Amino acid sequence: DTEVTQTPKHLVMGMTNKKSLKCEQHMGHRAMYWYKQKAKKPPELMFVYSYEKLSINESVPSRFSPECPNSSLLNLHLHALQPEDSALYLCASSLTSGRANEQFFGPGTRLTVL
Amino acid sequence: DQQVKQNSPSLSVQEGRISILNCDYTNSMFDYFLWYKKYPAEGPTFLISISSIKDKNEDGRFTVFLNKSAKHLSLHIVPSQPGDSAVYFCAASGTGANSKLTFGKGITLSVRP
Repeated sequence: DTEVTQTPKHLVMGMTNKKSLKCEQHMGHRAMYWYKQKAKKPPELMFVYSYEKLSINESVPSRFSPECPNSSLLNLHLHALQPEDSALYLCASSLTSGRANEQFFGPGTRLTVL
Repeated sequence: DQQVKQNSPSLSVQEGRISILNCDYTNSMFDYFLWYKKYPAEGPTFLISISSIKDKNEDGRFTVFLNKSAKHLSLHIVPSQPGDSAVYFCAASGTGANSKLTFGKGITLSVRP
């Protein structure tokens, strides 16, 4: 199994809703990442988990809350989002979080905040 | 400050010809470089990488060249195929505080049949 899966593919939510994005990999990777990508822009790193511990938080607003229940799963809990948070949210994984590790990306969740 | 630059936003080539996608970087701490390909509404797909101890890495139709003194790398696709039409991102990483991937803005490649 060499893929990263993400659910849901699309999500529309209001500013008062609470929702979660899910990501799963079964490649034995110990690093997992959340990225945000706006149209015609490169992926922007949000969080890095290494061995199930949060190692990098790129000053992301607290309305985004990551969770890593185990080495294969990564969640992103969303609450009180703003319309400008609408974007493609990408999950990625790599063998470790050090350099020289290719990151494998999931297909993303297209999030629209109304 | 953009540490990875892909200065051309787009490139159009004829099927069967060579596509050359360029990337420049400014951070001398970067020592590992990757190319990703992205179709619309999909996540980026890893294509090829190169370590700073090499100046060339080849994988099938894809070859990446690294010129450390110029802080420049390029991706060559030969022969180009219509299915190669996508956005290509150059990314770089280093050690310690630079270990996260830093992406360029991407270049849209169109391969004309």
